[in-house]
Amino acid sequence: NAGVTQTPKFQVLKTGQSMTLQCAQDMNHNSMYWYRQDPGMGLRLIYYSASEGTTDKGEVPNGYNVSRLNKREFSLRLESAAPSQTSVYFCASPGRISGANVLTFGAGSRLTVL
Amino acid sequence: DAKTTQPPSMDCAEGRAANLPCNHSTISGNEYVYWYRQIHSQGPQYIIHGLKNNETNEMASLIITEDRKSSTLILPHATLRDTAVYYCIVRDFYGGSQGNLIFGKGTKLSVKP
Repeated sequence: NAGVTQTPKFQVLKTGQSMTLQCAQDMNHNSMYWYRQDPGMGLRLIYYSASEGTTDKGEVPNGYNVSRLNKREFSLRLESAAPSQTSVYFCASPGRISGANVLTFGAGSRLTVL
Repeated sequence: DAKTTQPPSMDCAEGRAANLPCNHSTISGNEYVYWYRQIHSQGPQYIIHGLKNNETNEMASLIITEDRKSSTLILPHATLRDTAVYYCIVRDFYGGSQGNLIFGKGTKLSVKP
């Protein structure tokens, strides 16, 4: 099925460790986004990429880096994980439905930093 | 800040229609109303969107008032699998240069047997 695939689904890190969350979409969309979701809060945009080769900061970019490897793939890296980065991370990509941009989300990556 | 107001929770009996309200009194002329839902621990799922006309698809119906200041999402025959948090979002035609949608806290719909 067409959509957005994220890996890993679960990860436990120790403070200071690094890791990369992977995201791939097979819908041939130009834009891709990374969100985080914390308990009781809505989704907050971390970084986005409007097209291959470009990335921009969202609402909460501190502590993260991203790479738009090609049109399909957009990765999120934590260089030195902190407990405050414990969250569920979602990758998403917008496509047109009836003239409006509609986001397709991945299943999420649940990260715990000890 | 979210531009929409939704009740924090609602209950619905299985098989009955679920009517989820949303107020968006500051909506501008080029902004669409989007509805998404998030089933526990899953990624948000697009349901429907509209500009000013009522819309229907295989999942739901969207009723937008004539002044566009409020809307109602209707799930005609709710099932237990419709238990989720439902988000009402307003955004302009292109979804902004970033395509970003601002997700508030939504309405937690509980469908009961």
